[in-house]
Amino acid sequence: DAGVIQSPRHEVTEMGQEVTLRCKPISGHNSLFWYRQTMMRGLELLIYFNNNVPIDDSGMPEDRFSAKMPNASFSTLKIQPSEPRDSAVYFCASSLDGRQEETQYFGPGTRLLVL
Amino acid sequence: GENVEQHPSTLSVQEGDSAVIKCTYSDSASNYFPWYKQELGKGPQLIIDIRSNVGEKKDQRIAVTLNKTAKHFSLHITETQPEDSAVYFCARGTSYGKLTFGQGTILTVHP
Repeated sequence: DAGVIQSPRHEVTEMGQEVTLRCKPISGHNSLFWYRQTMMRGLELLIYFNNNVPIDDSGMPEDRFSAKMPNASFSTLKIQPSEPRDSAVYFCASSLDGRQEETQYFGPGTRLLVL
Repeated sequence: GENVEQHPSTLSVQEGDSAVIKCTYSDSASNYFPWYKQELGKGPQLIIDIRSNVGEKKDQRIAVTLNKTAKHFSLHITETQPEDSAVYFCARGTSYGKLTFGQGTILTVHP
């Protein structure tokens, strides 16, 4: 299996622009997680999907952030408009059924820089 | 609350020495405690995990201990090698699989 796939790997954009991050979970996994990693705040869960349905979006910073999962093999995280403080590494992870004791498999991340 | 406290933030050891990283938590509802290793430019990867009905688990040079009464758990790496150099994160699991991570420990193993 190819593992969790994320694109792009790097993104540089200017403040105010729209940014779309993409994720393909491991085939057969029903749960998908978006995380953000920064030096100051560490690894934070932004949103969690189970069977394509958002279950917990309490970690989404504000209305500028939105996430969708139109089917079992694709999810997007969109930032509109982007701000310099959004600069971070964004990870997507997937697990089989989203139970507490299941391994979450992380993708390689998207490194976002907003100028 | 939800936080996981992880110490130390940096750890430097000589090759062959042991390394120990400790985490504490406050939510007694947690029953799952994984450890992740993150190498430069990569996503975190699970290296070992432990469930609350077990006090200790070992996998070759890596071991994890859990004290549920005291609400702390530790990662032990023996006979460290340069390739063990990475950032290590502890985490605790909640009801639906949400993971709350510690702040991370930068481990450097000097040859």
